[in-house]
Amino acid sequence: EDQVTQSPEALRLQEGESSSLNCSYTVSGLRGLFWYRQDPGKGPEFLFTLYSAGEEKEKERLKATLTKKESFLHITAPKPEDSATYLCAVLATDSWGKLQFGAGTQVVVTP
Amino acid sequence: DVKVTQSSRYLVKRTGEKVFLECVQDMDHENMFWYRQDPGLGLRLIYFSYDVKMKEKGDIPEGYSVSREKKERFSLILESASTNQTSMYLCASSPGGGHTGELFFGEGSRLTVL
Repeated sequence: EDQVTQSPEALRLQEGESSSLNCSYTVSGLRGLFWYRQDPGKGPEFLFTLYSAGEEKEKERLKATLTKKESFLHITAPKPEDSATYLCAVLATDSWGKLQFGAGTQVVVTP
Repeated sequence: DVKVTQSSRYLVKRTGEKVFLECVQDMDHENMFWYRQDPGLGLRLIYFSYDVKMKEKGDIPEGYSVSREKKERFSLILESASTNQTSMYLCASSPGGGHTGELFFGEGSRLTVL
């Protein structure tokens, strides 16, 4: 059974304090791994797609990386506006249309 | 600006009522999805559709049905609402040509069943 586990569940950072979120997954074959950001009371917003081990994607202070078993979302020198819940999802090769989401990591960045 | 619009942000219904959640997208996307989101459980797929009048069961379809009569509209129906269907419901869409995983979500409909 496909599984996606995110850690930690919650993370509190000081502004400028870099950190990493983890997404570990077990799938029969990976078609893609996706990161989303979700603000309170809003729907998730797509951030990145990663397809193969060793791939990296960057956007402003966020950088996503992928290995064969996990992905990391690195937040460099975060600002309060980076506060959100970050969701990881995987799409298996034998699972058309069925993204498997993790429970998310809630990030709070304080000034 | 691309958009997925859910008709109701907040609903309160009684047990046994029939509930309709409407979703409209203006991006001419082939694929549309309904998820529910619960604390600690993440997003779980209820139903999805890859074409007009087509529907496929997701991971938790029990107690729900869907309708897609037009490309831009995807409706979720709770035939007889129950308290365990209290949740945040999220509609999403994506382009055709295979499922990319890059979904566009609406703002959600928070349903409370009393």
